Order: sequence, then C-alpha cells, then structure tokens
Amino acid sequence: AQTVTQSQPEMSVQEAETVTLSCTYDTSESDYYLFWYKQPPSRQMILVIRQEAYKQQNATENRFSVNFQKAAKSFSLKISDSQLGDAAMYFCAYRGTSYGKLTFGQGTILTVHP
Amino acid sequence: EAQVTQNPRYLITVTGKKLTVTCSQNMNHEYMSWYRQDPGLGLRQIYYSMNVEVTDKGDVPEGYKVSRKEKRNFPLILESPSPNQTSLYFCASSPLGTGVTYEQYFGPGTRLTVT
Repeated sequence: AQTVTQSQPEMSVQEAETVTLSCTYDTSESDYYLFWYKQPPSRQMILVIRQEAYKQQNATENRFSVNFQKAAKSFSLKISDSQLGDAAMYFCAYRGTSYGKLTFGQGTILTVHP
Repeated sequence: EAQVTQNPRYLITVTGKKLTVTCSQNMNHEYMSWYRQDPGLGLRQIYYSMNVEVTDKGDVPEGYKVSRKEKRNFPLILESPSPNQTSLYFCASSPLGTGVTYEQYFGPGTRLTVT
C-alpha cells in the first residue's frame, strides 16, 4: 500500500521569505501523480500544484514550485515570497494509476509572520 | 460554476440516529469519493465510486454506506452513528480517462459531531 509522510507538523516563515515543506512517499508503482493541497481556515481544499511522475521537470505555479526526486521518493514544496494568505494547512497527496484513492500525508501547518 | 456541493455543512446528532450527508457535482465526473479528516491523520478515504452503480471500499469504510444511483450524486449514509465518527467529511470528484490530470475537486466539507 502507498504511504505518504509529512514529517513537519508545523512550520513558520517570515513574510517575503522562502519556506520548504517536506513530503516523502512509498510506492511500488512507476507511474503516478503527486499533489500539494492547501487548506485555509475556511477548510476548503485547494489544489496548489501537481506533478506527473513521468515528467522529469519540476512543476511550478507562480510562487510555488516543487522539488521532485523520484528515486528518493521525495516531493517537497517551496513557497517563495511568502504572503500572509499562504498561512494554512498543507497536504501532500499521492494518486496511483489505479484511478482510485488519493493518499494524503498528515499535513503541515504553515504560519506566516508579518 | 463547476463545483461539488455537500449538505449539511454542520451537523450535531446523537448516537444511533441515522443520517445522510449529500454530495452532488455538476462536472459530469465519473469518479467520486468520500474522505474523513482527523487531526494528525490527514484525509482518509471512506468509499469511492468509479461510475453509476459501481462503488468500493476505501481505507476506513466501517460504519458507513454509500450509493451511486445517479452520476452526479454520491450520498454518505451513517446507519448508526457513533462518537468515533465525529469528524470533518469531504466529498470529491474527478474525471477518468486518458489525458486527464486526475485532480480531485473537493466539496466544502461537513463538520459532523456525534454525542
């Protein structure tokens, strides 16, 4: 079974600085998808960024980028120029090619200090 | 507007009183799923459905039932709720097939408290 681990229960960053959230996963599949979701206090799950395992290039979305290390099974999220609105719980998630479930990590609470 | 809706958003009930949380999507997605979110555990899948009349268990199906009679709807049924089912519940949907990203679209969540 696939597992996703986020080893940082909480992280903090100063506004305008850069922060990296860690995620590791375990799978025997070669083709899969990885996601980072943001959950603000409103509880809505918002997709931040996605990465297809077959793509070597790291995904980027404006201030958000990932460091995808397939061999190491690592998928970290870097937030540049952090803003107060980035404060939220962040979840790393894995989806295999069986079309089935999204397996989530435990989540990391990000605090942004002004 | 493309969306997944859930009702109710908040529910407080007593042990053993049957309840249903509704979920509906307007994106014609084949795949729908229910998750529960608990502190320190992330989101865990309860049940999922690949299409109408096709459902299967996720990681934590005990105490829950689902049905998929229409493509757009996927209700979650708790026949006899217990306090350990107090949680935040999310419904999600996604398209299936080649060329899709398999991103799941989430509803707003339902906060359930069982006393």
